[in-house]
Amino acid sequence: KNQVEQSPQSLIILEGKNCTLQCNYTVSPFSNLRWYKQDTGRGPVSLTIMTFSENTKSNGRYTATLDADTKQSSLHITASQLSDSASYICVVRTPAGKSTFGDGTTLTVKP
Amino acid sequence: DVKVTQSSRYLVKRTGEKVFLECVQDMDHENMFWYRQDPGLGLRLIYFSYDVKMKEKGDIPEGYSVSREKKERFSLILESASTNQTSMYLCASSLPPTRTAKNIQYFGAGTRLSVL
Repeated sequence: KNQVEQSPQSLIILEGKNCTLQCNYTVSPFSNLRWYKQDTGRGPVSLTIMTFSENTKSNGRYTATLDADTKQSSLHITASQLSDSASYICVVRTPAGKSTFGDGTTLTVKP
Repeated sequence: DVKVTQSSRYLVKRTGEKVFLECVQDMDHENMFWYRQDPGLGLRLIYFSYDVKMKEKGDIPEGYSVSREKKERFSLILESASTNQTSMYLCASSLPPTRTAKNIQYFGAGTRLSVL
């Protein structure tokens, strides 16, 4: 069964610190991997999207990595801000268009 | 600016009621999706549509139906609401798949439905 596992389930860090969220998947065949940010009470918003040939992609203070061989991705947040408090969801898509969502990591940034 | 609008943020319904959840997108996207989001289960696809009057079952279609009469509007219907359908419902839209398209999905803000 295709799965997307995210860790940790939740994370609390102090403002200004860095953190890394993990996403491991077994989805096959692979087309792309996306990271979404979901603020409380809102819909998910796309942060990055990576295809098989892309190892690293940055979006401001967010940097996503992808190792398609080990089927692992990470989302690194630099110099965290209070507004980074949200759920971060990893989504893996097959070439046929089927998306499998991870359960998300809930990040809390404290002052 | 991309916009997916869900008609209600919160809904409270009684068991057995017929419930309509409406979603409108203004990006002329062909693809539209309905998900439900539950703690510990992530987002699960209920139904999707690749064109007007076209619909396909997702992973958990039981107890739901959909309607896509116009390109910009995708409705989710609970024919007879049950308590296990209490959930956050998210609508999304995207461009159609191509060989190289990355198909970013744009999500609405969600409708939190409580069935009592």
